Amino acid sequence: DAKTTQPPSMDCAEGRAANLPCNHSTISGNEYVYWYRQIHSQGPQYIIHGLKNNETNEMASLIITEDRKSSTLILPHATLRDTAVYYCIVRTTVSGSARQLTFGSGTQLTVLP
Amino acid sequence: DSGVTQTPKHLITATGQRVTLRCSPRSGDLSVYWYQQSLDQGLQFLIQYYNGEERAKGNILERFSAQQFPDLHSELNLSSLELGDSALYFCASSVGPVVDTQYFGPGTRLTVL
Repeated sequence: DAKTTQPPSMDCAEGRAANLPCNHSTISGNEYVYWYRQIHSQGPQYIIHGLKNNETNEMASLIITEDRKSSTLILPHATLRDTAVYYCIVRTTVSGSARQLTFGSGTQLTVLP
Repeated sequence: DSGVTQTPKHLITATGQRVTLRCSPRSGDLSVYWYQQSLDQGLQFLIQYYNGEERAKGNILERFSAQQFPDLHSELNLSSLELGDSALYFCASSVGPVVDTQYFGPGTRLTVL
């Protein structure tokens, strides 16, 4: 699976949009971009995933650049409960390849009151 | 609530002992994954089972073993425990064996004294 690069930490004011970047310049055509978050020692929580097109769900939006080498997770109105480590993971769709999620260091997002 | 349950929440034991961690996947999910999260290693994939059979192995020690039962719950057995085995152990489940989204349980915190 392609390697990802994320900033180690970010701050965001409560109520504002949080934009978390992820670089995955070696991504290949059959690899999805997944985002998970982990709130202090809790189980990682699935947020969203996408292949080529932008995606939106009740939690967040995922913007993937046209060349797919980077993406941005957007939390539209961050709350204090969004303070967590956010992981960007690239995962292949090819059957027979690695099935597990490979977690990096992630981005520690701190939402400030 | 992801629908994945893990027991116990906390486990304290001594070096050399053996423990069993239990995971019940979400209803309808056939795949179970085990991950270990220690302070210095981050989240590491251990092993995956799909419909009762082992499908993928990660950085799982020989002292550790797992199985998935006919009712699809899974157990992770850790033996000859060492201080370094102290960690959070997470179980995740997904519908299929490869690319489906994984949903994580709340974890078991193991402390080896």
